[in-house]
Amino acid sequence: EVQLVESGGGLVQPGGSLRLSCAASGFIFSRYWMTWVRQAPGKGLEWVANIKQDGSEKYYMDSVKGRFTISRDNAKNSLYLQMNSLRADDTAVYYCVAYNTYWGQGTLVTVSS
Amino acid sequence: SYELTQPSSVSVSPGQTARITCSRDELAKQYARWFQQKPGQAPVLVMYKDSERPSGIPERFSGSSSGTTVTLTISGAQVEDEAEYYCFSAVDNNRGVFGGGTKLTVL
Repeated sequence: EVQLVESGGGLVQPGGSLRLSCAASGFIFSRYWMTWVRQAPGKGLEWVANIKQDGSEKYYMDSVKGRFTISRDNAKNSLYLQMNSLRADDTAVYYCVAYNTYWGQGTLVTVSS
Repeated sequence: SYELTQPSSVSVSPGQTARITCSRDELAKQYARWFQQKPGQAPVLVMYKDSERPSGIPERFSGSSSGTTVTLTISGAQVEDEAEYYCFSAVDNNRGVFGGGTKLTVL
């Protein structure tokens, strides 16, 4: 059974940093593109970033370019999202998604003073 | 920028057919996926490659594509199908984009 478990969310002040993690199991992690998707409270889904199987290609939505960094460790079956210079409009539940198919339960990031 | 446009809401009575559309603003180059999200839950894939149904998804869910519009059809909608539905497509094989979501009401 595919499992994706996100962690690392929490309350952070504007301008601060957080690192999200996603622990994957139940599938061969190294074979799939991985994606972060977020959902602001009461809003729709928003694609954030994705990363190729070997980490050689990474893509970002415009509003997070230069502030967020996606990475992965295939030896640890883990996906990461380093978020710097956080803003209030980054407040959302962040989901880890495998192969545009399987979703974790999400971790809440709240950016507020 | 590439956009996917969905109606904000669709309403049907139980047993009726619900159709949710997703319009792409250029000729389709990538397949679409559909996700169902119920309140407080993570999204679930209900359709991929425009019209392929994942295992475990009821047969009443079907998908189609015509020109720049993809459609998710729920034949004989059930109360448990009430949810938010999002279409999704890749852009240039790399980035992704979601539609704004459609709230399906079955009552």
